[in-house]
Amino acid sequence: GAVVSQHPSWVICKSGTSVKIECRSLDFQATTMFWYRQFPKQSLMLMATSNEGSKATYEQGVEKDKFLINHASLTLSTLTVTSAHPEDSSFYICSARGDRGNTDTQYFGPGTRLTVL
Amino acid sequence: AQSVSQHNHHVILSEAASLELGCNYSYGGTVNLFWYVQYPGQHLQLLLKYFSGDPLVKGIKGFEAEFIKSKFSFNLRKPSVQWSDTAEYFCAVRLAGANNLFFGTGTRLTVIP
Repeated sequence: GAVVSQHPSWVICKSGTSVKIECRSLDFQATTMFWYRQFPKQSLMLMATSNEGSKATYEQGVEKDKFLINHASLTLSTLTVTSAHPEDSSFYICSARGDRGNTDTQYFGPGTRLTVL
Repeated sequence: AQSVSQHNHHVILSEAASLELGCNYSYGGTVNLFWYVQYPGQHLQLLLKYFSGDPLVKGIKGFEAEFIKSKFSFNLRKPSVQWSDTAEYFCAVRLAGANNLFFGTGTRLTVIP
């Protein structure tokens, strides 16, 4: 099946630093990628949707200047958490939808656990 | 407001018991419906999906779900669970033609051998 990877799988950083998370579709081209955030014992909350080569569309309440999303190619999207603070600690999950098989299905990455000290 | 509800937060069953997990949504119009599973330490995987046609959908690993439009429900079922079914189960809804998936809060299933 379609595979989506994320790197790193976990990261610990100091408050005020920036962290970049990569999301890759390994065996298909992802025309659309999604970034979610999952708090402990809660559901996945969509942060933004990005289409290759265009600006991301952010959900209400998500600061686009804080969570920078770049979808530079059909296989790679990055999420950069700028000036991270402890409240940004969370589990970040990406998903991709593309030209593989049924284009209505999203394939999820394994997630990245961010801890901000 | 639009929402997806999973009323069972944690379900504990013995092996071979039957399973039914509830999912209700509050969107008007045509929807696409999904069930995802997240095994411990793994990523979300698609169990099954419904777009149109037969409201009884069969997925992988013996799971099935029934779309009841009048009840805005898409409950997940399995006649006989196994220990390996221990996982978190998420229901998700998407408005037809839209990009966004809206997830329920998830149901943790623990199967006791």
